[in-house]
Amino acid sequence: NAGVTQTPKFQVLKTGQSMTLQCAQDMNHEYMSWYRQDPGMGLRLIHYSVGAGITDQGEVPNGYNVSRSTTEDFPLRLLSAAPSQTSVYFCASSYSTGQPQHFGDGTRLSIL
Amino acid sequence: EDQVTQSPEALRLQEGESSSLNCSYTVSGLRGLFWYRQDPGKGPEFLFTLYSAGEEKEKERLKATLTKKESFLHITAPKPEDSATYLCAVQDNYGQNFVFGPGTRLSVLP
Repeated sequence: NAGVTQTPKFQVLKTGQSMTLQCAQDMNHEYMSWYRQDPGMGLRLIHYSVGAGITDQGEVPNGYNVSRSTTEDFPLRLLSAAPSQTSVYFCASSYSTGQPQHFGDGTRLSIL
Repeated sequence: EDQVTQSPEALRLQEGESSSLNCSYTVSGLRGLFWYRQDPGKGPEFLFTLYSAGEEKEKERLKATLTKKESFLHITAPKPEDSATYLCAVQDNYGQNFVFGPGTRLSVLP
């Protein structure tokens, strides 16, 4: 049972480049979310989805795009990378809202 | 706006020295309060969910309690392997958001 799988684990980008962070879960969870974690600021919600075809914005959505075409996958797209987006990104999933989330091990992203 | 604060920011204990971590929250109707443990380079690992004031949950050396304004994570006779960052999060009844606190970094020295 793989749980929540994030790829890549590390990535370095140049300002202005775009990329997609991948997230997949094999637990048939309806709720999926993306967070960024910065020193001293805790985890901040970027986008979330309550099921396939349904997404919504979290606390810090600017510069990021998501889609949810299947229950299993929830990719996060950086449209035009900026140094302020240097962070550790975590994907999480849960059976439904109000249930504890299971996290992946993160993608460490540096924007030069 | 939902808010979560945690104290202390960092805590150093000797092995066997019991203590408590605090999570204070402001939320418009609590759906659930969650405790997680995070090891360096890893994602948060779920520990407990508390849903209503007065509720308590235990797991090995950890015990979580909940009031209407705060939650405590009590650590009894900690061991070095309990060293980690402990995160608290809340979800309210009106939205789908989880709001996390900044965490408490716990170090247990042998």
